[in-house]
Amino acid sequence: ILNVEQSPQSLHVQEGDSTNFTCSFPSSNFYALHWYRWETAKSPEALFVMTLNGDEKKKGQISATLNTKEGYSYLYIKGSQPEDSATYLCAFRNNFNKFYFGSGTKLNVKP
Amino acid sequence: GAVVSQHPSWVICKSGTSVKIECRSLDFQATTMFWYRQFPKQSLMLMATSNEGSKATYEQGVEKDKFLINHASLTLSTLTVTSAHPEDSSFYICSARDVVRTYGYTFGSGTRLTVV
Repeated sequence: ILNVEQSPQSLHVQEGDSTNFTCSFPSSNFYALHWYRWETAKSPEALFVMTLNGDEKKKGQISATLNTKEGYSYLYIKGSQPEDSATYLCAFRNNFNKFYFGSGTKLNVKP
Repeated sequence: GAVVSQHPSWVICKSGTSVKIECRSLDFQATTMFWYRQFPKQSLMLMATSNEGSKATYEQGVEKDKFLINHASLTLSTLTVTSAHPEDSSFYICSARDVVRTYGYTFGSGTRLTVV
């Protein structure tokens, strides 16, 4: 069984706080690391697809970094807003095109 | 952007009956569809991979005779849970690959199945 770990499991922050989550994954057979944002009763929404060691991607106030050698990725949210409340999932994609998901970080941003 | 429509969003069925879940790609051709399930407080786990026009590939521990997958067209894949039991109660979600965008995988909104 391939382990993809996300931490923390849940996070409660105040509006305006910056926050970050971690996704750790195996460093072998790496093809890509995907981040998704998943709101209740909706489809997971793709945030980033990262493939190269050292990749940094940004979308609005959300950014992500990737370290494939040590097997981790960080997701940062600068100045969290209530609408950022969701579960953030990471998925490790291996060379055989299989996805392995973490259990997600549930973010709650209080106004 | 790419959209996958999944129905039903929730279903309650009696033990022993069968339930069909549909996933349609609305604006792209999905040559490959992935089916996942998620038990409470666990990760999404891949059940099977289906390719249009061929038999699905099931992950270890997933009974192919119980979870029937059909991917007869480039826009439709179905998962049928046959002779459902309470332990099949779970959240099922599909994901399709948009072949135009190499890295693009789009999810349906999921189906909450409760077997009573």
